[in-house]
Amino acid sequence: GQNIDQPTEMTATEGAIVQINCTYQTSGFNGLFWYQQHAGEAPTFLSYNVLDGLEEKGRFSSFLSRSKGYSYLLLKELQMKDSASYLCAVREYDYKLSFGAGTTVTVRA
Amino acid sequence: DAGVIQSPRHEVTEMGQEVTLRCKPISGHDYLFWYRQTMMRGLELLIYFNNNVPIDDSGMPEDRFSAKMPNASFSTLKIQPSEPRDSAVYFCASSLGLAGGLYNEQFFGPGTRLTVL
Repeated sequence: GQNIDQPTEMTATEGAIVQINCTYQTSGFNGLFWYQQHAGEAPTFLSYNVLDGLEEKGRFSSFLSRSKGYSYLLLKELQMKDSASYLCAVREYDYKLSFGAGTTVTVRA
Repeated sequence: DAGVIQSPRHEVTEMGQEVTLRCKPISGHDYLFWYRQTMMRGLELLIYFNNNVPIDDSGMPEDRFSAKMPNASFSTLKIQPSEPRDSAVYFCASSLGLAGGLYNEQFFGPGTRLTVL
C-alpha cells in the first residue's frame, strides 16, 4: 500500500520560486511522477524520477531521495498559468500508480 | 495522435439507472487504467488492464462496478445500479509497457463528469 503526503495549498507571487514537497511510504518503489492538473482538466505528465537526484526540465525540476522517501517539485519563474494542482504519484512494481491528494498552487500577480 | 478519448464528457442520470463510460486508449499502448476523482478521496485507481486482460481490480468499490476491455482500442466502465455517491469525474489513462518509452508515463483522457441524482 501507499501513504503519500503533500501540502494542501501553496501561494506564491508571479516570478517567484515554489517548492512542493512529497513524502511517501511504499513496499516496492518503481518511480515517482509529478503531474499537473488545471481545474476541470485531466492530469498531464510533468516529470519522472527513479534514481536519486535532480531532474531538470525547463522551469520545472524534480528531486528524489529514495532512502528518505522524499521528493520535491520546484517551479521557477512562476507564471499565472502555473496556477494548478500538482499531484505526486508513486509507481510500484505491479505498475500501479498511487496519487497524493494534490497541492493547489495559486500564483498571484 | 488524438490522445485518449473518453465519452460521454458529461453524464447526468438518476439513482438506479445504468451508466456506461467509454474509453479509447492511445494506439499502441498496452496498459489501460480507470480512475475516479472526487474532492474527498482524490484520484483513485479503480482497475487496470494489460493487453486487454484485467490485472488488478482491487480498487473497484463494489459489485455495482464492472469494467471490460474487449479489444486493444476500447474499454468500458459500467455502474449498475448507480447511486448518488458515485458522482465523480472518471478518468481513463493509457501507457506503454516496460519495453516502451523512457518514462512509461500515463496519458489521461479528458474525463467523464458523472452526476447521479
